[in-house]
Amino acid sequence: SAVISQKPSRDICQRGTSLTIQCQVDSQVTMMFWYRQQPGQSLTLIATANQGSEATYESGFVIDKFPISRPNLTFSTLTVSNMSPEDSSIYLCRTREGFHPQHFGDGTRLSIL
Amino acid sequence: SQQGEEDPQALSIQEGENATMNCSYKTSINNLQWYRQNSGRGLVHLILIRSNEREKHSGRLRVTLDTSKKSSSLLITASRAADTASYFCATDFAGGGGATNKLIFGTGTLLAVQP
Repeated sequence: SAVISQKPSRDICQRGTSLTIQCQVDSQVTMMFWYRQQPGQSLTLIATANQGSEATYESGFVIDKFPISRPNLTFSTLTVSNMSPEDSSIYLCRTREGFHPQHFGDGTRLSIL
Repeated sequence: SQQGEEDPQALSIQEGENATMNCSYKTSINNLQWYRQNSGRGLVHLILIRSNEREKHSGRLRVTLDTSKKSSSLLITASRAADTASYFCATDFAGGGGATNKLIFGTGTLLAVQP
C-alpha cells in the first residue's frame, strides 16, 4: 500500500506570507486530493489534483489562494497564499489507489500569527 | 453543502460499554467509510462499506448502512480508553459516471472513554 510523506509537519507563519506544502507518495497514483481541517472541525475538500491537468477546486476555494501543482504521479504541492489567521488549520493530502484503502498524509499543522 | 452530519457530536462512556455513532448523508454514494483521528493527528481508516452492503464487521467494530435512509452507524463494542478519539464518516459519493473518488466527511463525533 502507498506511503505518503507530507512536509512540513507544522509551521508558524506571518500574516501575508505564503507556504508550500509537499506531498510525496512512494508509488504512482492517479488522483491526489487536498483537504483542510480547521480547529475543532471536520475535513473539507479543497481540490482534486490529477497529473497533466489543472486542479479542480471545490466551492469556496480558488486557485489564486490555493495554487496546486502535480508535476508527476508521485508528487503534489499545495500553496496557501497571502495567509491570514483564518488559514490556521491542518492541511492533509490524500491519495486514491484502486478501490481501497484510502491513504492520508499525517498533515501539516499551520498557524498564522 | 454536501457534508454529512454525525450524531452525537460528543459521547462519553465508561470502559467496557458500547459506543454508537450515527452518520447521515445527502447524496447517492458508492461507499461509506469510517475514520478515527486521535487529537488532531493523521486519519486512520477503520472500515469501508459499499452501497450494496448492509452490515460489516471488523474486530470490535460493526457498521451498518441504510441507503434508503441515507444513514450509517458505527458501533464500537467493549470500548477501551485507547478508543478515545474523533470518529468521522466519509462518503464516496456517486456521480453520473460512477464513483467520483471524492471523500466528503461528516461533522464527526468526539468519543471519550473513561477508564
